[in-house]
Amino acid sequence: NAGVMQNPRHLVRRRGQEARLRCSPMKGHSHVYWYRQLPEEGLKFMVYLQKENIIDESGMPKERFSAEFPKEGPSILRIQQVVRGDSAAYFCASSPLLGQGVKNIQYFGAGTRLSVL
Amino acid sequence: AQTVTQSQPEMSVQEAETVTLSCTYDTSESDYYLFWYKQPPSRQMILVIRQEAYKQQNATENRFSVNFQKAAKSFSLKISDSQLGDAAMYFCAYRSANGRGSNYKLTFGKGTLLTVNP
Repeated sequence: NAGVMQNPRHLVRRRGQEARLRCSPMKGHSHVYWYRQLPEEGLKFMVYLQKENIIDESGMPKERFSAEFPKEGPSILRIQQVVRGDSAAYFCASSPLLGQGVKNIQYFGAGTRLSVL
Repeated sequence: AQTVTQSQPEMSVQEAETVTLSCTYDTSESDYYLFWYKQPPSRQMILVIRQEAYKQQNATENRFSVNFQKAAKSFSLKISDSQLGDAAMYFCAYRSANGRGSNYKLTFGKGTLLTVNP
């Protein structure tokens, strides 16, 4: 059972370009979470998605950032017109069900390191 | 809003010795979950151990155990018989048990960098 797959591992963009980060959840998982890790910081929640639905985007910047999780294919985190402050590691996690039990664990991918020149 | 505090930016331990990493949290909720994640140099986030707040018994996973003090809002991680492979950044995390949409997110501390000396 493959884990959470994120690609690319490293992404370099110039200021003003668009960044697209992909996340394929674990097999059987239908819930995806995106987190951002700035240097010397812990992970901070950005958005929580279910297939074709955004459940909670309270941690997402209001402008330039968007996320989707289509019926088919990976979840995409899109950053338009990137700025140097967007440089960070972006992690995706997936979980198997919308439940309250501790078994509803979030399994993480290895992250995408975005560098904005 | 919940907050998680890890007051030790760095810790070191000799191989085969025991080390304890501290974590405190702030919440007004009575039911929640606590986690310790490990992030080695590969950056992969790996779940180490988890604790349900309604359980009084401290969780254990092989060489890893926690000291959960609910009244003090403290959740420390003890690593026994430390190994070189334990060297990593360790993050403490909180998740509500209320189960409504926004409560599924994890709130992380800033992490403790653990060095294991041979």
